[in-house]
Amino acid sequence: QVQLVQSGAEVKKPGASVKVSCKASGYTFTSYGISWVRQAPGQGLEWMGWISAYNGNTNYAQKLQGRVTMTTDTSTSTAYMELRSLRSDDTAVYYCARCGGNSLPDAFDIWGQGTMVTVSS
Amino acid sequence: AIRITQSPSSLSASTGDRVTITCRASQGISSYLAWYQQKPGKAPKLLIYAASTLQSGVPSRFSGSGSGTDFTLTISCLQSEDFATYYCQQYYSYPPLFGQGTKLEIK
Repeated sequence: QVQLVQSGAEVKKPGASVKVSCKASGYTFTSYGISWVRQAPGQGLEWMGWISAYNGNTNYAQKLQGRVTMTTDTSTSTAYMELRSLRSDDTAVYYCARCGGNSLPDAFDIWGQGTMVTVSS
Repeated sequence: AIRITQSPSSLSASTGDRVTITCRASQGISSYLAWYQQKPGKAPKLLIYAASTLQSGVPSRFSGSGSGTDFTLTISCLQSEDFATYYCQQYYSYPPLFGQGTKLEIK
């Protein structure tokens, strides 16, 4: 079946970096894009950015520009999201979600199970 | 950025009730609106896209309507499994922002 499986929970210190993976299966990875969405405890959904699995094009949320990098490895059908210079307010559940692969935004039809990232000294 | 205002932020209802949640976009987005359901500790689930198209496998008691700036999600006959938080999202342009969410609780 079509699914996205994310890496496990992480605990990081302020200033560190985290890299979350999202492995796709059950569909042609390069025909779609992957968006990343995060949710702080008790809060709503925040879109972080998008990457095309076809050509690697990206579009990042303005507030994260310079701190976030999204990449894909087509040989393993895996997407990655790296967030640097972590702060306490980056503590959240991070989700990957399948969406359109071209440059236009799209609805998110398949979601990963989420990865909890805790930033604490 | 196109902002989405979702209301109400919370809603109490009983099994069997009909409920409506609304989203208003800060500018016209045609029909580029999606609705998601999220249960505690779980990832969001796509219910409706293109404002009114039901995602495969979603029960027909869910329906969406609207275009331009004003949209609604209606659940026609609430079931116990429908108590959750609902989000709308515009995908007309980047960034594809979400509404603030509506928590649907049992009365």
